[in-house]
Amino acid sequence: NAGVTQTPKFQVLKTGQSMTLQCAQDMNHEYMSWYRQDPGMGLRLIHYSVGAGITDQGEVPNGYNVSRSTTEDFPLRLLSAAPSQTSVYFCASSYSRQGASGTQYFGPGTRLLVL
Amino acid sequence: KQEVTQIPAALSVPEGENLVLNCSFTDSAIYNLQWFRQDPGKGLTSLLLIQSSQREQTSGRLNASLDKSSGRSTLYIAASQPGDSATYLCAVRSSVKAAGNKLTFGGGTRVLVKP
Repeated sequence: NAGVTQTPKFQVLKTGQSMTLQCAQDMNHEYMSWYRQDPGMGLRLIHYSVGAGITDQGEVPNGYNVSRSTTEDFPLRLLSAAPSQTSVYFCASSYSRQGASGTQYFGPGTRLLVL
Repeated sequence: KQEVTQIPAALSVPEGENLVLNCSFTDSAIYNLQWFRQDPGKGLTSLLLIQSSQREQTSGRLNASLDKSSGRSTLYIAASQPGDSATYLCAVRSSVKAAGNKLTFGGGTRVLVKP
């Protein structure tokens, strides 16, 4: 299994540009999430999905959109990039919420710089 | 609102000494607690997951305890090695339905093991 994969690894955007961060997992996990990690702020949940076709907002959803058309993929869209969105973005997945299969697996991250 | 705290923020120990990392949380309505390791510039690697019904979990030199009633977890790393140098994060998964899939992270403890 490749686990959780994210592309791109690095991206530089200009203010106002849009882009999509890709996330895919090959473990047949129902639950997928997007986090951002900022110095002094820790990891914060942006959006999450409990299955194909079902998404919901996390703590910091403004400026981001998600969709979940398949179990495997969970892309994160930046609609109009702002310098405040400069961060490291992590995608995570788990088979369930409870029990031993509730273990969350993280991708390697995407470093985004918005100028 | 769930809050997760990790103290100290940084820790430096000589090689061979046992490591004790603390995590506290404010809301005991959790499915599980997970400990992660993060190396600089990398993603998060899951170390241990403790279900809410468990008191402890062990993997090799790692042992994690959970006292849900007092809102505390401790990660013990025996006979530390320089390769254990990393940031250690704990995260709790809420069992409140309205909270969805949310993991709440602590700020992490940065560990340096000196040869």
